[in-house]
Amino acid sequence: AQSVTQLGSHVSVSEGALVLLRCNYSSSVPPYLFWYVQYPNQGLQLLLKYTSAATLVKGINGFEAEFKKSETSFHLTKPSAHMSDAAEYFCAVSTMEYGNKLVFGAGTILRVKS
Amino acid sequence: DTAVSQTPKYLVTQMGNDKSIKCEQNLGHDTMYWYKQDSKKFLKIMFSYNNKELIINETVPNRFSPKSPDKAHLNLHINSLELGDSAVYFCASSRRGEETQYFGPGTRLLVL
Repeated sequence: AQSVTQLGSHVSVSEGALVLLRCNYSSSVPPYLFWYVQYPNQGLQLLLKYTSAATLVKGINGFEAEFKKSETSFHLTKPSAHMSDAAEYFCAVSTMEYGNKLVFGAGTILRVKS
Repeated sequence: DTAVSQTPKYLVTQMGNDKSIKCEQNLGHDTMYWYKQDSKKFLKIMFSYNNKELIINETVPNRFSPKSPDKAHLNLHINSLELGDSAVYFCASSRRGEETQYFGPGTRLLVL
């Protein structure tokens, strides 16, 4: 079975500050891990993914995430928040053994203050 | 140009009606999925098809029936709509054996 826990349903940062969104996963087999972003009334856009290559993964819009197997974590970071980063972020896990279905966390709403 | 498209974008209907949502992908993928995002924004898989064959069926009421006429299309038919079916339904696709799924823009269903 697989599951994802996102710590913090809401995160608020000032513009220019570090963004840290937390994600912990559970998987009985080596996982694929993803971060998706959803802007209001929009679809899901892939930010980045981990697929067992490099543990530090760089994505679009300056985001990156680090896979830490020992901590079962895949936290999302961005050094300097921009107003346009305000959105909801979803962490997800999948494996081919489970038909590649994505299991999502509950989401974290990021608010960026000016 | 749109990779994964869904129609309609918005759907407002009465309880008890039957409705369909269509999904098409032009990426040449052979696996397609339906996800439901509820009012609390929680996303959960409903179905997946690979080459028109049902692969995943996640304890969805049998009022929901997916149909895949070919590998580029996966439609979702819902019978006897209930208030709790109000949600955003996302279609996605991937290439078999590859992990990345590409999502459509979603269909916002409101049942009154």
